[in-house]
Amino acid sequence: EDQVTQSPEALRLQEGESSSLNCSYTVSGLRGLFWYRQDPGKGPEFLFTLYSAGEEKEKERLKATLTKKESFLHITAPKPEDSATYLCAVLSSNTGKLIFGQGTTLQVKP
Amino acid sequence: DTEVTQTPKHLVMGMTNKKSLKCEQHMGHRAMYWYKQKAKKPPELMFVYSYEKLSINESVPSRFSPECPNSSLLNLHLHALQPEDSALYLCASSQVGSGYGYTFGSGTRLTVV
Repeated sequence: EDQVTQSPEALRLQEGESSSLNCSYTVSGLRGLFWYRQDPGKGPEFLFTLYSAGEEKEKERLKATLTKKESFLHITAPKPEDSATYLCAVLSSNTGKLIFGQGTTLQVKP
Repeated sequence: DTEVTQTPKHLVMGMTNKKSLKCEQHMGHRAMYWYKQKAKKPPELMFVYSYEKLSINESVPSRFSPECPNSSLLNLHLHALQPEDSALYLCASSQVGSGYGYTFGSGTRLTVV
């Protein structure tokens, strides 16, 4: 069964304190792994797509990496505006479904 | 236009009402999706449309009825809902095929009273 597990559930950082979010996955044929940001009461906002092990993508303070079993979202020198829930999702080639992890809620304090 | 637009943003309905949620995109995407999201939970897939045809129904109760009248529009018709159906309903779209990211709308916050 396809499964996505994110850790930690919640993360509190001081402004400027770098850290990483983890996404472990089990999927029957990976079409893509996606990172989304979601603010309260809003829809998920697309950040990155990763397709194969070893791939990396960067956008401002965020960097996503992928191995055969997990993905990391590295946040460098975060700012309070980076506070949000970060969702990881995998697209299965067998089922054609996008399956989400439970998310990591990040709070960055000034 | 790179957006998925959902209306209304908020909806309060009684258990005997009939209402509809609307979703529109003009990105030329031929796959459209409905997701349901409860508070502090991830989005859960409800329906998938591919080329305006229903391709996946995740065993959703019949009180939820999807419709895709054309390649730009997706509706979700609601009838005889229960209070536990209160949630954020998200529409998304993507290109059909391998590995394309989904673009999500801002959602409709539904409250059933």
